[in-house]
Amino acid sequence: AQSVSQHNHHVILSEAASLELGCNYSYGGTVNLFWYVQYPGQHLQLLLKYFSGDPLVKGIKGFEAEFIKSKFSFNLRKPSVQWSDTAEYFCAGTFKAAGNKLTFGGGTRVLVKP
Amino acid sequence: DAGVTQSPTHLIKTRGQQVTLRCSPKSGHDTVSWYQQALGQGPQFIFQYYEEEERQRGNFPDRFSGHQFPNYSSELNVNALLLGDSALYLCASSLSLVSYNEQFFGPGTRLTVL
Repeated sequence: AQSVSQHNHHVILSEAASLELGCNYSYGGTVNLFWYVQYPGQHLQLLLKYFSGDPLVKGIKGFEAEFIKSKFSFNLRKPSVQWSDTAEYFCAGTFKAAGNKLTFGGGTRVLVKP
Repeated sequence: DAGVTQSPTHLIKTRGQQVTLRCSPKSGHDTVSWYQQALGQGPQFIFQYYEEEERQRGNFPDRFSGHQFPNYSSELNVNALLLGDSALYLCASSLSLVSYNEQFFGPGTRLTVL
């Protein structure tokens, strides 16, 4: 069965530090990959997505992610975080064999210290 | 433009009872998906509705059922509630069944089963 995994459950860093969150998926066919963010008290919202073309995807709020097919990975990065980036981040995918249902990773809680 | 709305916000039920959760999709969207998010975990796909039919279903028992109305709004029904059904139930809407289309999430309904 297709799955998505996130390496870190919790990340704590200081403002201006760089952030990288790991995401791997298991599926050999066509995938679409997403990063969603949930700020405290808010809805899940889309940061960025990859479905074809340039494997380096830029999203909102300075986030980017790189799709590396050979590593089955879609890691999220931000060069310099702010306190307002404190949130829970979810990697998710849709897999051709499974239609357009989203399969989520377990999430990573990020705490940015001012 | 209203996004995805869900009602109620919170709900407390006892074991064995039945519950109905409601969702109105984002304007212009015709596809509704339901997810269950247990504490500390990523959302898990329950099922998806398009053109008033269940199109996909995740690994949830038949106690979980749903409906989509002609105006694209949707209900999630859970019968014979168990303690383990306590979770945040998320509704997401999207345009058609295209796998790379963004799914927009509502705020969720927090269900507590005592």
